[in-house]
Amino acid sequence: AQSVTQLGSHVSVSEGALVLLRCNYSSSVPPYLFWYVQYPNQGLQLLLKYTSAATLVKGINGFEAEFKKSETSFHLTKPSAHMSDAAEYFCAVTDTGANSKLTFGKGITLSVRP
Amino acid sequence: EAQVTQNPRYLITVTGKKLTVTCSQNMNHEYMSWYRQDPGLGLRQIYYSMNVEVTDKGDVPEGYKVSRKEKRNFPLILESPSPNQTSLYFCASSPGLVGQETQYFGPGTRLLVL
Repeated sequence: AQSVTQLGSHVSVSEGALVLLRCNYSSSVPPYLFWYVQYPNQGLQLLLKYTSAATLVKGINGFEAEFKKSETSFHLTKPSAHMSDAAEYFCAVTDTGANSKLTFGKGITLSVRP
Repeated sequence: EAQVTQNPRYLITVTGKKLTVTCSQNMNHEYMSWYRQDPGLGLRQIYYSMNVEVTDKGDVPEGYKVSRKEKRNFPLILESPSPNQTSLYFCASSPGLVGQETQYFGPGTRLLVL
């Protein structure tokens, strides 16, 4: 079964600083990987996804992630944090099988300090 | 506007009183799914449906029922709710059945079972 690990539950950065949110997956075959963002009291919104076309994936709001097979990682980065980036971020993976089930990590809350 | 809608958004009920949370999508998507979100656990899949009249269990199906009589609707039924079903529920849909498809989430339904 697929699984996703997001270490830590909370990350705090200063406005303008680099954002790095880590995600590691376990899979015997290259999976499909996603980052979703959840703003307070809202549903989940797709930030970006990896579907094997390119290892460096660019998403919305200046975020990007790099798929590294050798490290089984899909870390999310943004060069300069903005106050509006404060939210909860989820890494997720799907199988290549019939059920498009998203298996989520536990999520990381990002705080941005002025 | 393309969207997934859920009703109600907030619900307080008592143990044993049957309830239904509705989910509807206007994007003609084949795949629909229900997740529950609990602190520290991320989102976990309850049930999914790959087409009309085709449903199957996800990771945490106990205490829930679903039906898919029409393509656009996928209600979640709690026949006899218990306090451990207090949670935040999300409905999601995607165009196809393969893992690389983006899933679109509804705004969520916050349920409290007393």
